[in-house]
Amino acid sequence: EAQVTQNPRYLITVTGKKLTVTCSQNMNHEYMSWYRQDPGLGLRQIYYSMNVEVTDKGDVPEGYKVSRKEKRNFPLILESPSPNQTSLYFCASRAGQGAINEQFFGPGTRLTVL
Amino acid sequence: AQKVTQAQTEISVVEKEDVTLDCVYETRDTTYYLFWYKQPPSGELVFLIRRNSFDEQNEISGRYSWNFQKSTSSFNFTITASQVVDSAVYFCALSRGAGNNRKLIWGLGTSLAVNP
Repeated sequence: EAQVTQNPRYLITVTGKKLTVTCSQNMNHEYMSWYRQDPGLGLRQIYYSMNVEVTDKGDVPEGYKVSRKEKRNFPLILESPSPNQTSLYFCASRAGQGAINEQFFGPGTRLTVL
Repeated sequence: AQKVTQAQTEISVVEKEDVTLDCVYETRDTTYYLFWYKQPPSGELVFLIRRNSFDEQNEISGRYSWNFQKSTSSFNFTITASQVVDSAVYFCALSRGAGNNRKLIWGLGTSLAVNP
């Protein structure tokens, strides 16, 4: 089954404790992206990757890191989480590098930073 | 600048009513793509439709239909005979169609509640 998986689905952590949210897709998609969703603000892109070893900042990259060492994986790293990073996070992938194809989304990770 | 506006923040209807969700976009590109996604209460984001700027034909898929009008820069979504399972947040999004484009421009979403 074609899918994007994220782990963990739920996470409660404390300020400053490094964490990683994993994302993996099995569709051989070139493009992957991370979003955060907050009430009243919609979906905002954090980082994206056009292909292996190619990443770039989205609209709200501060406080986040990513890496793309393999085509299928695109982890999101919070080196020192803060309460304002409490949010619902989505990983997405799509075929090709242009934005003409639909994105496939993971199930979401709900992160709470205390 | 590119922008997507979903003016309706929340809509509440009674089951079996028809409901239209509005989406107005701004772009200077001649080639672009428009999308609708659904986010049910379970939280996942589900792709519904993609429309390119050269295809103004309306689309119907079961109880769902989409009306694309370039003259008014709108891509509205209608649910006919709504059902409780249609309750969700619906997002409209815009992308550029050419070049090394990287991202979608998202509307803020319309929360639809269909009551029994």
